[in-house]
Amino acid sequence: DAGITQSPRHKVTETGTPVTLRCHQTENHRYMYWYRQDPGHGLRLIHYSYGVKDTDKGEVSDGYSVSRSKTEDFLLTLESATSSQTSVYFCATRASGTDTQYFGPGTRLTVL
Amino acid sequence: KQEVTQIPAALSVPEGENLVLNCSFTDSAIYNLQWFRQDPGKGLTSLLLIQSSQREQTSGRLNASLDKSSGRSTLYIAASQPGDSATYLCAVTLLDLHNNNDMRFGAGTRLTVKP
Repeated sequence: DAGITQSPRHKVTETGTPVTLRCHQTENHRYMYWYRQDPGHGLRLIHYSYGVKDTDKGEVSDGYSVSRSKTEDFLLTLESATSSQTSVYFCATRASGTDTQYFGPGTRLTVL
Repeated sequence: KQEVTQIPAALSVPEGENLVLNCSFTDSAIYNLQWFRQDPGKGLTSLLLIQSSQREQTSGRLNASLDKSSGRSTLYIAASQPGDSATYLCAVTLLDLHNNNDMRFGAGTRLTVKP
């Protein structure tokens, strides 16, 4: 498995506060992805990156921003957290020329 | 808009039984289809990937088929074991966004194999 870590693994925060989730990979994969997983919805793509400083929106990007200043790190920021953003967030990576994504262990975020 | 549906949402079988999990998608313009396994509290692990030009893929006791024209895929698990208990998700990669590997996931089937 690709070496993917996510931090924090669990977080409880209050509505209106900013939150940043971090994804770190050791595989030098070009592509990185942020998903959220909610009951009954499967995984939905929030944002993705196709290189350092190259990012684009996914299916459910409203309320989220991302940054990638280094190959190994992809940050997901909730500028002002809302209760609807309570979810489990997964990071994934993919090497160029391949179709398989490798997933991190997830971050459980609760917004009160 | 691509919609991916998995039925049933949950399935419980006795050990040793052969079983089939179903996945359907609404738009046949897909690049590939993947089946993933998710254990509780963990991330996803890719099990099988079928390119749009292929009909099936096999890995050990797992066999996945793809009928793109009808928008269906099945995951066949032979001689099920308690260790197969997990949630199984299918995902399709959109053809027009395949360079970025934009996938649409089903909600998953939670499988329990009883000893």
